[in-house]
Amino acid sequence: DAGVTQSPTHLIKTRGQQVTLRCSPKSGHDTVSWYQQALGQGPQFIFQYYEEEERQRGNFPDRFSGHQFPNYSSELNVNALLLGDSALYLCASKKSGPGEFYYEQYFGPGTRLTVT
Amino acid sequence: AQSVTQLGSHVSVSEGALVLLRCNYSSSVPPYLFWYVQYPNQGLQLLLKYTSAATLVKGINGFEAEFKKSETSFHLTKPSAHMSDAAEYFCAVGSARQLTFGSGTQLTVLP
Repeated sequence: DAGVTQSPTHLIKTRGQQVTLRCSPKSGHDTVSWYQQALGQGPQFIFQYYEEEERQRGNFPDRFSGHQFPNYSSELNVNALLLGDSALYLCASKKSGPGEFYYEQYFGPGTRLTVT
Repeated sequence: AQSVTQLGSHVSVSEGALVLLRCNYSSSVPPYLFWYVQYPNQGLQLLLKYTSAATLVKGINGFEAEFKKSETSFHLTKPSAHMSDAAEYFCAVGSARQLTFGSGTQLTVLP
């Protein structure tokens, strides 16, 4: 049973460029969230996708956008990259539903983005 | 709004000693609380969660945490540290839609 997978592992981009990160959720999961983890800090919530719609968004500018596909995989797009966007980007997946079991999020290994 | 404060960005313990990592939360509604561990160059792994059932929660790898509403705390403990416990630990508060993480505590285990 494959867990959450993310690609690529590492990425180097130049200021002003655009980047797309990809995530495949754990088997059986239908909800995907994205988090940004700057060096030495805890992850910060970017947004969550369910049924191909953004259902919750954190305090991130519109330069950050996403998409969820019918197979539940997801992309994170960042436009007009800034140096401050350098971070580890984590994808997390879960099953939707009521009850405490559905609060558990499973994280992927992350994509390390460096903006120069 | 919900928030988490982790006291101590770095904690060192000797192998076999008690591990205590501190977490205090702020929440206007009954909280759901989590502890995650992150090993170098890896994602986050869920250690345990509190979701309003028993106040003493047992997790994986011998870790447990106690929810204390009066102190707004959810400290993580392990009776005897092992070298393999060296990692970064994150406390989080949240819902099914969003987790808010603390800034993390780096645990070092000394031989």
